[in-house]
Formats: sequence, C-alpha cells, structure tokens
Amino acid sequence: DVKVTQSSRYLVKRTGEKVFLECVQDMDHENMFWYRQDPGLGLRLIYFSYDVKMKEKGDIPEGYSVSREKKERFSLILESASTNQTSMYLCASTTTETSRGFYEQYFGPGTRLTVT
Amino acid sequence: GQNIDQPTEMTATEGAIVQINCTYQTSGFNGLFWYQQHAGEAPTFLSYNVLDGLEEKGRFSSFLSRSKGYSYLLLKELQMKDSASYLCAVRDFYNQGGKLIFGQGTELSVKP
Repeated sequence: DVKVTQSSRYLVKRTGEKVFLECVQDMDHENMFWYRQDPGLGLRLIYFSYDVKMKEKGDIPEGYSVSREKKERFSLILESASTNQTSMYLCASTTTETSRGFYEQYFGPGTRLTVT
Repeated sequence: GQNIDQPTEMTATEGAIVQINCTYQTSGFNGLFWYQQHAGEAPTFLSYNVLDGLEEKGRFSSFLSRSKGYSYLLLKELQMKDSASYLCAVRDFYNQGGKLIFGQGTELSVKP
C-alpha cells in the first residue's frame, strides 16, 4: 500500500522561529510537492521537486524553502515563521513513469501549523 | 492565466444524484483529476480523464469535454459518508513532474 507520511499532525510555533516540516514517501516516486490549504483558497503549490537536489518554485514560494537530499524525503522550511503562515500543509508525491498508471498524486495526512 | 472554477458548496439528499461541475482554462492540458477530501484528512484520488467522454467507477462517474474546458463528477445513490470536499485538478502539459493546478474545491453536504 502506498504511503506518504508527514512528521507531525499538529504543530504550534512562535513568530520568528525556524520550522521544519518533513515528508517521506515509500513509493520510489521521483516527484514531490508541498502545498498549503486555506479555506476559500484551495490547495496552493509552494514548491515541488522532480529529482533529488532539484527544486522548483510553485505559486507561493515566498517565506519558504525546501530541501531534497534523498529521493524519499522532501522537507519544507519556514525560515522565520509568521502568523500568516498558519495553515494546513500537505505533502504529495507522484511518478511520471508511463508504466505506473495515471500518475495521480498521493497525499500525506497533513500538518496543521499554528504560528502565534 | 491558469484558472479552475467549481461551485463552493452544494447540498443534496441521501439516495439522490448530484453533479459537481468544473471548468478550466489552462495553458496546456494533460489530464483532469477529481479528488475527495474529508474534513481534516488528506485528499484521495477518485478519477482521471484525459480523453473526452465518461469514465464510470461504481457510484462515481467523471465526464470530460476538452473543447469546452469542462468536466463534471457525478455521484449516484448518495450516502452520508459522501459528505466531503471534492477537488478538481488539471495537469498542465507544459509543467514538469506531474504538477497539478487545483480548483478551490466543492463542499458537498449530504442530508438525510
């Protein structure tokens, strides 16, 4: 069974703290994504990675950075957390190998981050 | 620009049929996905359309018209557990890595 895990379900941090959100997938997927989800705004892409050590900015990368040192792990970093980064953060992965189906994205359970 | 529109909320009755529409305008097209997301949980894959027509999977069907930039998700024999948010997403051909563009989601409430 495919699996994407995230390091925390709930996290509370203070303004100005450096925050690390970890995501691990066990499906040998090349591509991994970080989204944030806010009411009325839907899922918005922060960053994605299509290979180890590769990263691409999504639609809202400001205030975030990412790291992908190993294929299975994709980390989202909030360099200096702010209250407007309070949100649900979702990680996802997919493959684009033609032999492996529709290439749908598989999502982790999400991390609800509150910045006070 | 990239734009995906779907209704914000819908209400339907248990046992009934409901159709959730999605229209899209994207720079390219390489498939449309529907996801279901229960409150507080991760989105889960429901269906995929890349060619025009209807794809049926049990109580759920999804339709695509590429010329109209239009899709719908049809849910039959509604059950209370179908109360969830339904997300429409398009894969833009020109993006790398299977990147998806998501609509805002449609919150479906199923009432007894």
